[in-house]
Amino acid sequence: DQQVKQNSPSLSVQEGRISILNCDYTNSMFDYFLWYKKYPAEGPTFLISISSIKDKNEDGRFTVFLNKSAKHLSLHIVPSQPGDSAVYFCAASARGNAGGTSYGKLTFGQGTILTVHP
Amino acid sequence: DSGVTQTPKHLITATGQRVTLRCSPRSGDLSVYWYQQSLDQGLQFLIHYYNGEERAKGNILERFSAQQFPDLHSELNLSSLELGDSALYFCASSLSLNEQFFGPGTRLTVL
Repeated sequence: DQQVKQNSPSLSVQEGRISILNCDYTNSMFDYFLWYKKYPAEGPTFLISISSIKDKNEDGRFTVFLNKSAKHLSLHIVPSQPGDSAVYFCAASARGNAGGTSYGKLTFGQGTILTVHP
Repeated sequence: DSGVTQTPKHLITATGQRVTLRCSPRSGDLSVYWYQQSLDQGLQFLIHYYNGEERAKGNILERFSAQQFPDLHSELNLSSLELGDSALYFCASSLSLNEQFFGPGTRLTVL
């Protein structure tokens, strides 16, 4: 049962254009969402997060949008740069589940490979 | 550099053996998490320790165990290793229940 899904295994974008990465979730207990970027042979690097009380969070070129009714979030990268080429993971947690068996657990999607062409 | 360190970077061992993976969290972080990334399973949560106490368990096998020491570093012990245990093992740390910061990982190969 995959509670966090990234349905696009890969995305190819031209430098300077917008990259949009999508993520869907099924667990309504999730109240905090994160995006991580991962290069080969390295650990995931935190990019940006959003709490379920917000619908948008922006940090420089990165913006995350959350649509709770659709259980959908997206990461926008504008403008895209060749250095953004990596695997992007969406993750979710249920911070309100204090004391639960999944306390602090991040549930990850399968990842989307982003390639930004010069 | 996330500030989380993991040793060793690579580990090659045989089936049936036991190994210990080590993690040092970022300075000030009380929580340590372990994740396993295999080719077909993606990043899977194993266990969470907070200030020396186990707080949550994921799909961690009984052959696997972990602990967090008073200096807050953590060790993940994997025993009776099987071929299927070959994976990347990541440690992450956090101060709160928000962002987790990941180490570079340990690549375990079981032959």
